[in-house]
Amino acid sequence: EAQVTQNPRYLITVTGKKLTVTCSQNMNHEYMSWYRQDPGLGLRQIYYSMNVEVTDKGDVPEGYKVSRKEKRNFPLILESPSPNQTSLYFCASSLSGGLGYEQYFGPGTRLTVT
Amino acid sequence: AQKITQTQPGMFVQEKEAVTLDCTYDTSDPSYGLFWYKQPSSGEMIFLIYQGSYDQQNATEGRYSLNFQKARKSANLVISASQLGDSAMYFCAMREGQTSYDKVIFGPGTSLSVIP
Repeated sequence: EAQVTQNPRYLITVTGKKLTVTCSQNMNHEYMSWYRQDPGLGLRQIYYSMNVEVTDKGDVPEGYKVSRKEKRNFPLILESPSPNQTSLYFCASSLSGGLGYEQYFGPGTRLTVT
Repeated sequence: AQKITQTQPGMFVQEKEAVTLDCTYDTSDPSYGLFWYKQPSSGEMIFLIYQGSYDQQNATEGRYSLNFQKARKSANLVISASQLGDSAMYFCAMREGQTSYDKVIFGPGTSLSVIP
């Protein structure tokens, strides 16, 4: 089954404790992206990747890191989480970064930072 | 600056009626793509429909159609014959072709409730 997987689905952590949210897709997609969803704000793009070793900042990259060492994986790293990073996080992928390519989303990771 | 506006935070529609969800966008790029996604209460994001800025006809996908008015910079989603399963959040999103090729901007969303 074609899918985007994220782990963990739920995470409660404390301020400053480094964490990684994994994302993997099995569709051989070139483009991958991370979003955070907050009430009233919709989804905001954190980072995206056009291909292996090619990443760039979205609109809200502060406090996050990413890497794309393999085509299928695109982990999101929070080096020192803070309470304002409490949010619902989505990973997504598309065949390409071109205009007409819809994104396929993972199930989401709900993160709480206390 | 890119911007997507969805002016209806919440809407109600009677089952079997049609409903229009508004989306206006702001871009100076002549090449762009517009997407609509659905998010049911279960949380997943589901792609519904796509409209390219150079497409001559309005996009349609089953009960979904897009009322694309390029001069007004609007891309409203029309759902015909609403069903209870259409109750969800709906997001409009845009990708620009030249200025910020790889970025995607989402609007704040509209919550649709279908009443039996």
